[in-house]
Amino acid sequence: IAGITQAPTSQILAAGRRMTLRCTQDMRHNAMYWYRQDLGLGLRLIHYSNTAGTTGKGEVPDGYSVSRANTDDFPLTLASAVPSQTSVYFCASSEGRGAGYTFGSGTRLTVV
Amino acid sequence: GQQLNQSPQSMFIQEGEDVSMNCTSSSIFNTWLWYKQDPGEGPVLLIALYKAGELTSNGRLTAQFGITRKDSFLNISASIPSDVGIYFCAAMNYGGSQGNLIFGKGTKLSVKP
Repeated sequence: IAGITQAPTSQILAAGRRMTLRCTQDMRHNAMYWYRQDLGLGLRLIHYSNTAGTTGKGEVPDGYSVSRANTDDFPLTLASAVPSQTSVYFCASSEGRGAGYTFGSGTRLTVV
Repeated sequence: GQQLNQSPQSMFIQEGEDVSMNCTSSSIFNTWLWYKQDPGEGPVLLIALYKAGELTSNGRLTAQFGITRKDSFLNISASIPSDVGIYFCAAMNYGGSQGNLIFGKGTKLSVKP
C-alpha cells in the first residue's frame, strides 16, 4: 500500500542521547516535511524539503536536523535530546503545487 | 508568524446532529484544507479548497473557502459515532510567502450515541 512509513512507532529516550527518526515514502513525492504535535499547540513544522538535496527550516527547527539524500527518505535527527522534545512526530509528503500532504502514523517520543 | 484560529476547541454532540467549525486568519491564503485525525494515527485529508468562494462536499462533509481568503468552515451533517476525532484546518500560499502548510490547533469532536 502506497504511503509513508515512520519508524520507530514509539521510543523512550534518555536526555542527552542522539536519536534519528526514520521516514520513507513510496509515492515519489518531491516534498517532505516533519511536524511535531503537542497538546494544545496543534501541528508545528520542524523542517521541510522541497526536493531531494534541499532542506529548509520550519517554525520550530532548533535541536533538530534533517537530510534528504534521495526522494524517498527524510530522516529527522535529534543530536542531544531534551525533555521538551517529548512529542509525537509526524512525517508528511506532497507532490507539491499546492497539493495536500499525506501523513505517516507518527512516532511517539518520550525524553526522560 | 502567520496563525490560524480554529474554533471551537471541542464539541460534544448527540449522534444525528449537524456540526460546524471554522478557521480564521489575519492573513490571506490561496489554499485551505481540512484534515481529520483519529487517535494514534496521522491526519488524513478530507477536503481541499483552492478558490475563494469555493464550496466542496465529500459525503456528509461540506467545506467552504471564504470570499476574503482569510477563513474557511467545515460542516458535518447527521453526525455518526465514527466522526469522533480531531479536525484540523490548514492553509498555505502555494508559490507565495507561506508555501508550507500551517495548521490550526484543532477541534476535538465527541459524538454521543
